Amino acid sequence: DAGVTQSPTHLIKTRGQQVTLRCSPKSGHDTVSWYQQALGQGPQFIFQYYEEEERQRGNFPDRFSGHQFPNYSSELNVNALLLGDSALYLCASSLVQGVFVGYTFGSGTRLTVV
Amino acid sequence: AQSVAQPEDQVNVAEGNPLTVKCTYSVSGNPYLFWYVQYPNRGLQFLLKYITGDNLVKGSYGFEAEFNKSQTSFHLKKPSALVSDSALYFCAVRDGWSNYQLIWGAGTKLIIKP
Repeated sequence: DAGVTQSPTHLIKTRGQQVTLRCSPKSGHDTVSWYQQALGQGPQFIFQYYEEEERQRGNFPDRFSGHQFPNYSSELNVNALLLGDSALYLCASSLVQGVFVGYTFGSGTRLTVV
Repeated sequence: AQSVAQPEDQVNVAEGNPLTVKCTYSVSGNPYLFWYVQYPNRGLQFLLKYITGDNLVKGSYGFEAEFNKSQTSFHLKKPSALVSDSALYFCAVRDGWSNYQLIWGAGTKLIIKP
């Protein structure tokens, strides 16, 4: 049973560019959340997608946007990259229906903005 | 405001000794509490969670945690530490069923010495 898959694993972008990160949830999960983890800090919630809609958003600017597809996979898009966007981006999947079993995290995408 | 505090940046324990990693939280609703572990350049691995029920929760790799509502704490414990337990540990809380984001502590680095 595949866990959460994120791609790419590493990415280097130039300030001002745009980036798209991808996430495939654990089999059977229907909800995807995105987190940003800066070096030496705990993760920060960006947003969560369920039924192809953004269900909740954290304190991140509109430069951060997302999408969820009918197969539950998700994309995180960041426009006009800043040096401060350099971080590990984590995707977590979960299941809304039935017993809440918690969140399964992927290994993350390491984004470096230069 | 929702928050999680992990008061120790680093905990040092000799192999074979018991270990405790502390976590306190502040939420307005019923807390959903989690412990995750992170190894270098890796994502977050689930250890255990408290949703409801018995205050003592048993999780993966011999870890357990005790939910204390009066002290708003959820300390992580293990009776006998292994060198392989050395990693970064994060406590997280979800503020009730209708709030989907996880609020994270800053992490505690656990070092187990042979």
